[in-house]
Amino acid sequence: KAGVTQTPRYLIKTRGQQVTLSCSPISGHRSVSWYQQTPGQGLQFLFEYFSETQRNKGNFPGRFSGRQFSNSRSEMNVSTLELGDSALYLCASSSGLADGYTFGSGTRLTVV
Amino acid sequence: QQQVKQSPQSLIVQKGGISIINCAYENTAFDYFPWYQQFPGKGPALLIAIRPDVSEKKEGRFTISFNKSAKQFSLHIMDSQPGDSATYFCAADTQGGSEKLVFGKGTKLTVNP
Repeated sequence: KAGVTQTPRYLIKTRGQQVTLSCSPISGHRSVSWYQQTPGQGLQFLFEYFSETQRNKGNFPGRFSGRQFSNSRSEMNVSTLELGDSALYLCASSSGLADGYTFGSGTRLTVV
Repeated sequence: QQQVKQSPQSLIVQKGGISIINCAYENTAFDYFPWYQQFPGKGPALLIAIRPDVSEKKEGRFTISFNKSAKQFSLHIMDSQPGDSATYFCAADTQGGSEKLVFGKGTKLTVNP
């Protein structure tokens, strides 16, 4: 079965711009989580959506937001980009059962 | 506050050797402890996971040892192979709770041929 698909794979944006990243979970998975990965901070939880509702939120500023659609696809948006937002953004989906999370290959965002 | 501490940061072993990565956690509410393997350019992939009601879980060459009283768990890779060279992350979660996956900082494993 198809895995978690994230688009685009790479993005280059300028400071102050905004960006939208997309994630298509594994078919049947209703939970989608987003993580930021940087060399300095490692993997950090951004937020989780389940059935179109944000269930959990990490410790990130309000510039980071997300949403989930009725087909479980999710988007995350970062507004007013800063250089420090350069990172690999990972999406993970889960069925909610005890089978863990499946990650996509991520979107590499570079802010210049 | 780092809730999951992972060591070492990097590890070099010879082919056929045993790789051992250790993690310690603070939050006693954690009830799910997975290990992820990440290759360059890829997202983390679930390797093996354990719950606190067992002290050890083995899948092929990979074994998790879990010590609830010490709040520690470790990954052992037996007969390490060059193809195991990757970054390994331990994590912890309270499934059904407000915490989501909390990751260690990662261990870069290099297995020399």
